[in-house]
Amino acid sequence: GAVVSQHPSWVICKSGTSVKIECRSLDFQATTMFWYRQFPKQSLMLMATSNEGSKATYEQGVEKDKFLINHASLTLSTLTVTSAHPEDSSFYICSARAGEAGNTIYFGEGSWLTVV
Amino acid sequence: KQEVTQIPAALSVPEGENLVLNCSFTDSAIYNLQWFRQDPGKGLTSLLLIQSSQREQTSGRLNASLDKSSGRSTLYIAASQPGDSATYLCAANTGNQFYFGTGTSLTVIP
Repeated sequence: GAVVSQHPSWVICKSGTSVKIECRSLDFQATTMFWYRQFPKQSLMLMATSNEGSKATYEQGVEKDKFLINHASLTLSTLTVTSAHPEDSSFYICSARAGEAGNTIYFGEGSWLTVV
Repeated sequence: KQEVTQIPAALSVPEGENLVLNCSFTDSAIYNLQWFRQDPGKGLTSLLLIQSSQREQTSGRLNASLDKSSGRSTLYIAASQPGDSATYLCAANTGNQFYFGTGTSLTVIP
């Protein structure tokens, strides 16, 4: 079964509104979670890395004020797309690192966001 | 910076054929490499994970190989079925993040 739960799988929102996507690690504590985004016909690209209890580290070109990431607990990270626009429509996926080692990372199933 | 390339970008085969999808990466310093399946409008499904110390992994009709020294991985699908039609992504884990390829879109024709 899934070890990382991402919700919602699908979301449609109106332009100008905000939408929150949750990423939960099941049965393990995730000190680090990662958020990726997939543009049409492109590969998944890392948006930001979040560590529990601290501010997220954003990749170059990702607007931190637009994509708010909160990693308030060891099992939950949230991505909030603020003032969403149609160009924010994309596939967003999170992953979670179990422990400190770099090789145990589990992915959520992803969330499809459509902004109309 | 790690770069991951997948060839071909698209592949169409008749049902029953065996096929190979290719993935290459530029930096061999990886923890592991993972193959995913992505169906249109749906989420990502993990297929196989190969640790850096492993040469291959098998699951049912799928076999993935890894050659770190040459920066290559292949996904072998035996006796393809129409239900195998999807986009297949490979991703190299450097420890800090995964680097994804752009995928191979597979169509299996009944």
